[in-house]
Amino acid sequence: NAGVTQTPKFRVLKTGQSMTLLCAQDMNHEYMYWYRQDPGMGLRLIHYSVGEGTTAKGEVPDGYNVSRLKKQNFLLGLESAAPSQTSVYFCASSSTGTTEAFFGQGTRLTVV
Amino acid sequence: SQKIEQNSEALNIQEGKTATLTCNYTNYSPAYLQWYRQDPGRGPVFLLLIRENEKEKRKERLKVTFDTTLKQSLFHITASQPADSATYLCALDTSGGYNKLIFGAGTRLAVHP
Repeated sequence: NAGVTQTPKFRVLKTGQSMTLLCAQDMNHEYMYWYRQDPGMGLRLIHYSVGEGTTAKGEVPDGYNVSRLKKQNFLLGLESAAPSQTSVYFCASSSTGTTEAFFGQGTRLTVV
Repeated sequence: SQKIEQNSEALNIQEGKTATLTCNYTNYSPAYLQWYRQDPGRGPVFLLLIRENEKEKRKERLKVTFDTTLKQSLFHITASQPADSATYLCALDTSGGYNKLIFGAGTRLAVHP
């Protein structure tokens, strides 16, 4: 099993450009999450989904959108990238809302 | 707002000793608490989950305690090895069942031969 796979691993964007980060999990998990990690700070939740077709806002949702059209995929979109969105993005999934989360390897995004 | 504090300074210990990491939280009563390990350039990897009605949980050389009165969790690694060197993250669920985790900034552990 691959677990949680994120695409791409690295990306450099210019301010104002858009992009989509893809997260795929092969564990048949219901719950999926997008976090960002900045130096000296804990991971912060951007958006999450408790099942196919559902999404909800996390702690820092502004500037991001998400979609969960298929159970195994969770997409994170940046419509107009800003330097403040330079970060490492992690996708995670869990089978229920009270069990451990499995994380992807991360996407390092730089916005210049 | 929720706040989770972990030792901000790196913890340096000698191989074979026990490492003890601290996680303190405020303004919430979580049903459970989780510990993760993160290596440089990698995603967090789950280690242990402890529920509010459990005082202690063990897994091989790892032990976690959870004191809901003190609002504190301690994470112990016994007989530490250089391979245990990593950043350890504490996380709480603030949503009562949606696994919306709030993470501490982590404590970097360095185990020296």
